[in-house]
Amino acid sequence: DARVTQTPRHKVTEMGQEVTMRCQPILGHNTVFWYRQTMMQGLELLAYFRNRAPLDDSGMPKDRFSAEMPDATLATLKIQPSEPRDSAVYFCASGQGQGEETQYFGPGTRLLVL
Amino acid sequence: AQSVTQPDIHITVSEGASLELRCNYSYGATPYLFWYVQSPGQGLQLLLKYFSGDTLVQGIKGFEAEFKRSQSSFNLRKPSVHWSDAAEYFCAVKSNFGNEKLTFGTGTRLTIIP
Repeated sequence: DARVTQTPRHKVTEMGQEVTMRCQPILGHNTVFWYRQTMMQGLELLAYFRNRAPLDDSGMPKDRFSAEMPDATLATLKIQPSEPRDSAVYFCASGQGQGEETQYFGPGTRLLVL
Repeated sequence: AQSVTQPDIHITVSEGASLELRCNYSYGATPYLFWYVQSPGQGLQLLLKYFSGDTLVQGIKGFEAEFKRSQSSFNLRKPSVHWSDAAEYFCAVKSNFGNEKLTFGTGTRLTIIP
């Protein structure tokens, strides 16, 4: 049963610290998405990649957030420096192809910035 | 721009009763439509999706949804709910032309009472 995996599942850090979240997409999927879920804003798309190339990162605060895909099996989302308002659940999803593709979600990383 | 409205924030139903969760979308053409379910502390799981063809779509766990173009709706139904259906349900829309962005509604939290 292929799944998207995310690490860490939980992260507590202090304001100003760097946070790195990792995602392993389903093998063979060529599209990776990063979402953020908060009570106030709901689910928001931060960025997505196809074939490791960033296609849209318009939802991501550029000054402190960065997303990369070092290889086809790893996507990273980094926050530096972190702020309390970044506290949220961050989801990675992967998909295959375009158009009718379904996005399969990982379990999320729950981030708390103190 | 595409948008999704889920007018019911919270719904409570008795176990064994029927269920209908409402979803309305705004989009210039026929979009791709999805229903996801999120259990507490978990990621999102796809229940069903509509791309084209038969407007009544069957999904997992006994759920179905009907696409009604005239009403711009994609309501989720289940004839008899089980206690395990308690979760948050998200309707989502995606453009059928190029943009891979999934736009989510704000979610409906379902509570099941014995």
